[in-house]
Amino acid sequence: NAGVTQTPKFQVLKTGQSMTLQCAQDMNHNSMYWYRQDPGMGLRLIYYSASEGTTDKGEVPNGYNVSRLNKREFSLRLESAAPSQTSVYFCASGSRAGGQGDIQYFGAGTRLSVL
Amino acid sequence: EDQVTQSPEALRLQEGESSSLNCSYTVSGLRGLFWYRQDPGKGPEFLFTLYSAGEEKEKERLKATLTKKESFLHITAPKPEDSATYLCAVQAGKRGSQGNLIFGKGTKLSVKP
Repeated sequence: NAGVTQTPKFQVLKTGQSMTLQCAQDMNHNSMYWYRQDPGMGLRLIYYSASEGTTDKGEVPNGYNVSRLNKREFSLRLESAAPSQTSVYFCASGSRAGGQGDIQYFGAGTRLSVL
Repeated sequence: EDQVTQSPEALRLQEGESSSLNCSYTVSGLRGLFWYRQDPGKGPEFLFTLYSAGEEKEKERLKATLTKKESFLHITAPKPEDSATYLCAVQAGKRGSQGNLIFGKGTKLSVKP
């Protein structure tokens, strides 16, 4: 049972380049989330998807787009990368789709550097 | 504004030296408080969920407790393998949040042999 799988694990981009971070879960969860983690700051929510076919903005959505491709997959796209988007990105899926006690299970992360 | 504050930022212990980590929160309608462990280069790993004041949960050397304003993660007789960053998160009850989690900045625990 793989849980939440993120690809790639590492990526270096030049300013202005675009890329898509992939995330897939095999736990049959309805909700999925994208976070970024920066030194000295807590995990911050970028976008989330409460169920297949729906997406909503989180705390820091600017510069990102998402696609909930199906129940298993949730991708994060950077259309024109900026140095401020250098971060570690985590995908998570939720066991109770936003209900009380929605335990989120995290992937191993994608470490992105934008030069 | 919903907020989570963890203290201390870093904690260094000797093996066997028990201590506690603190998570203070202000949230409109607490639906759950979560503790995660994060090892370097890895994603957060779920430890506990607490729902109401007075609740306690244990797992090996870890014990989490909850009051109306804060949660403690007690570490009894820690071992070097307990070294990690411990994250606290709250789930607020306000509408439209879809049960999203608000994370603290974490406490980095180092246990020396």
